[in-house]
Amino acid sequence: KAGVTQTPRYLIKTRGQQVTLSCSPISGHRSVSWYQQTPGQGLQFLFEYFSETQRNKGNFPGRFSGRQFSNSRSEMNVSTLELGDSALYLCASSRNRDFGNEQFFGPGTRLTVL
Amino acid sequence: KQEVTQIPAALSVPEGENLVLNCSFTDSAIYNLQWFRQDPGKGLTSLLLIQSSQREQTSGRLNASLDKSSGRSTLYIAASQPGDSATYLCAVRPKNTDKLIFGTGTRLQVFP
Repeated sequence: KAGVTQTPRYLIKTRGQQVTLSCSPISGHRSVSWYQQTPGQGLQFLFEYFSETQRNKGNFPGRFSGRQFSNSRSEMNVSTLELGDSALYLCASSRNRDFGNEQFFGPGTRLTVL
Repeated sequence: KQEVTQIPAALSVPEGENLVLNCSFTDSAIYNLQWFRQDPGKGLTSLLLIQSSQREQTSGRLNASLDKSSGRSTLYIAASQPGDSATYLCAVRPKNTDKLIFGTGTRLQVFP
């Protein structure tokens, strides 16, 4: 069974641009969460989607948004990029919204903002 | 507010040693605790998941314990190998939330 996949794996953008990252969960998984990882802040929760609805959002500005499609694939978008948005963006999937579920992470997208 | 701490921040040991990584959390109202491994520049690999009603979980050379009342978990690695070198992260899932709260990690180096 294929794991969580994320595309692209690497991105270089300049300040002010926008970017879209994609995540395909494990087949049969319907919950997708996004996390940002930076050396200074560690891993921080961005948002979680289930059944095409955002269920929870972390403490990030409105420039960070996302969506989920009917096939459970998810995208996150960052508009008006800032230098501080440089990070590893990780996507995690779980079977459903049972809070006891194990979370499985993808390889991440490394975003560099110049 | 849930906070997760991992000690030590870094550890360097010779191959073959048994070692213990520590994770502590401030609020015992959790659904579960999960241990992950992260290789440099890569994503997270799930190692063990312990539900709040469980005391420990084992997978191969790894054993994780959970003492929810004291807010502690330990990851025991037996007979360490150079391939175990990575950063180990613990994360708790607080009750009534969709997110994981991560510790800052323990960077482990096992040298031959």
